[in-house]
Amino acid sequence: DSGVTQTPKHLITATGQRVTLRCSPRSGDLSVYWYQQSLDQGLQFLIHYYNGEERAKGNILERFSAQQFPDLHSELNLSSLELGDSALYFCASSARTGGSINEKLFFGSGTQLSVL
Amino acid sequence: GQNIDQPTEMTATEGAIVQINCTYQTSGFNGLFWYQQHAGEAPTFLSYNVLDGLEEKGRFSSFLSRSKGYSYLLLKELQMKDSASYLCAVSPSNDYKLSFGAGTTVTVRA
Repeated sequence: DSGVTQTPKHLITATGQRVTLRCSPRSGDLSVYWYQQSLDQGLQFLIHYYNGEERAKGNILERFSAQQFPDLHSELNLSSLELGDSALYFCASSARTGGSINEKLFFGSGTQLSVL
Repeated sequence: GQNIDQPTEMTATEGAIVQINCTYQTSGFNGLFWYQQHAGEAPTFLSYNVLDGLEEKGRFSSFLSRSKGYSYLLLKELQMKDSASYLCAVSPSNDYKLSFGAGTTVTVRA
């Protein structure tokens, strides 16, 4: 158990819908990262938050948004869903105290999103 | 952008040794990670290299050559439970956007 909690584990929805994925980082970790993993691609970096602020953005679609709340949990919102959005979405956390940037990531078990 | 290449699949026999190569081309370099991911599960950290050379950790070792943009993960005394995908990931700059390769699926056969 990595200590990172993601809910829900599975999500089945229809095209055009909107869903919210939730992540609670390890106790004490300030950084949260979101990754997308589909069958034909590796882990694709979406976005990184540190202590409530957005720090880095990857190839995240405009239909997707995220935020990190004061209690450090994070939510990834996916809207106007398309078939191609079906994937495993991982959240990861790290301590990222601000001094060391190369800290290992602890991944949650992921949310499997199926868009039908 | 980042370009990280690793073989798609490798097969080896229980008790043997397997070496998974990773080559990368990134804008700046701040370290290379290896993660293990069993099917349907979360990736878990295996190793981190930022200086040239070999880092040994039990049955697993990781090597880095920054001048060649090259790393390998060496798995020794393979066990069935080592069957998994092994992900090479590079930290390209001071901005933490850890980029992952597509992963190498290792199958260990009895």
